[in-house]
Order: sequence, then structure tokens, then C-alpha cells
Amino acid sequence: GAVVSQHPSWVICKSGTSVKIECRSLDFQATTMFWYRQFPKQSLMLMATSNEGSKATYEQGVEKDKFLINHASLTLSTLTVTSAHPEDSSFYICSASGGAKEKLFFGSGTQLSVL
Amino acid sequence: GQQVMQIPQYQHVQEGEDFTTYCNSSTTLSNIQWYKQRPGGHPVFLIQLVKSGEVKKQKRLTFQFGEAKKNSSLHITATQTTDVGTYFCAGRAAGNKLTFGGGTRVLVKP
Repeated sequence: GAVVSQHPSWVICKSGTSVKIECRSLDFQATTMFWYRQFPKQSLMLMATSNEGSKATYEQGVEKDKFLINHASLTLSTLTVTSAHPEDSSFYICSASGGAKEKLFFGSGTQLSVL
Repeated sequence: GQQVMQIPQYQHVQEGEDFTTYCNSSTTLSNIQWYKQRPGGHPVFLIQLVKSGEVKKQKRLTFQFGEAKKNSSLHITATQTTDVGTYFCAGRAAGNKLTFGGGTRVLVKP
């Protein structure tokens, strides 16, 4: 099946710094990728839809200047958490849609801890 | 906006027993998908249901889409320890994005 690679798997950073997370579709082209945030034992909260070659579409309540999304190619989307704060600590996971069933293939996720 | 709710939130099952988790949408869906997320892992696609009243089976898992296309269920028979994880349903209304339910966290008692 299709593979989505997400990097890094975990990151620890100081408050005020920025962190970039990469999401790559390894064996298919993804014009659309999705970024989610997941708190422990909770569901996936869609943050934004990343569209190749255009601006991302953010969900209500998600700060676009805080969570910068760039989808520069058909296989790569990046999420940059700018000026990170401890409350940004969370599990961030990306997905891409592939195939006729529009099923989502998820990356392995990034656990972000902001000190 | 569209809401997708799952019950129960937690399911403690004795190994070998059956259980069912339910998914309900506030709006009529064009299709519904189910995903499984193992502890510490990422969600993995299980199945998609499209037709009203559709029933699909995957070994011990039976998925059903309601006649009104607003609810779905996942029934697991003879639960095994490998069934541990969180099962998410995700509904798509016409032209809209997938909306995930809150998930059912399954724990299996050996």
C-alpha cells in the first residue's frame, strides 16, 4: 500500500523556537495532505488541509500564522510550529489521500514537547 | 457543522467475547470509513462503506452502514489481544472533508 513518511518522530524544543515537521508521500503523488493534532487518548483534530501549489485551508480556531504550512511539491508538505509554547506540545500527524477510495494514509506522527 | 459521535468511548472486553462499537453522524453521509490506531501508532485504514445498508466483513470484523446513511457499526467476534487499539470512524458528507469520531478505545482482558 501507499506509504506516507513523517519526520521527525519526536522533537523537544525550547519555548520560543520554531519546529518544522515534514510529511512525504513516498510512492504516490498527493495534491492534498492533511495535518492533524491529537491529544492523549483523544481523537484526531483536523488543523488544516494542505494544497499543492496554493495556500492551505485552516480549520476554525487554528492560527495560520502560528502553524505555517507549505506544500511545495506533489510529495512534500511541511508544518512549521512557530514560536512554540508548552501548550503546543502534542502529537502532530499528517495524512494524504490516495487511490479511488479516497482513503487516508497516515504518517507515523511527530510527538512535540516544548519546554 | 457536521458531527460524528462514537460510543462507547472505552470498551473493556474479555478475550474471546464479542463487542460492537457504534458511530453516529449528525448529517447524512456519502460514505464512512473505519480506521484502527494501535497504542503508540498511527491510524490505519480498515474499510470504506458507501451504499445504504451495506455490510462488509473482514475475518472477525463486520462493518455495517445504516439504511439512512447516518450511522455505522463495527462488530468484532471472538476478541483477541491483537484487537487492542482505538477504532475511529470517519464520515464524509457530500463534497466535504472526512470528520473523525472520538474513537472507541478497546482493551482486552486475557
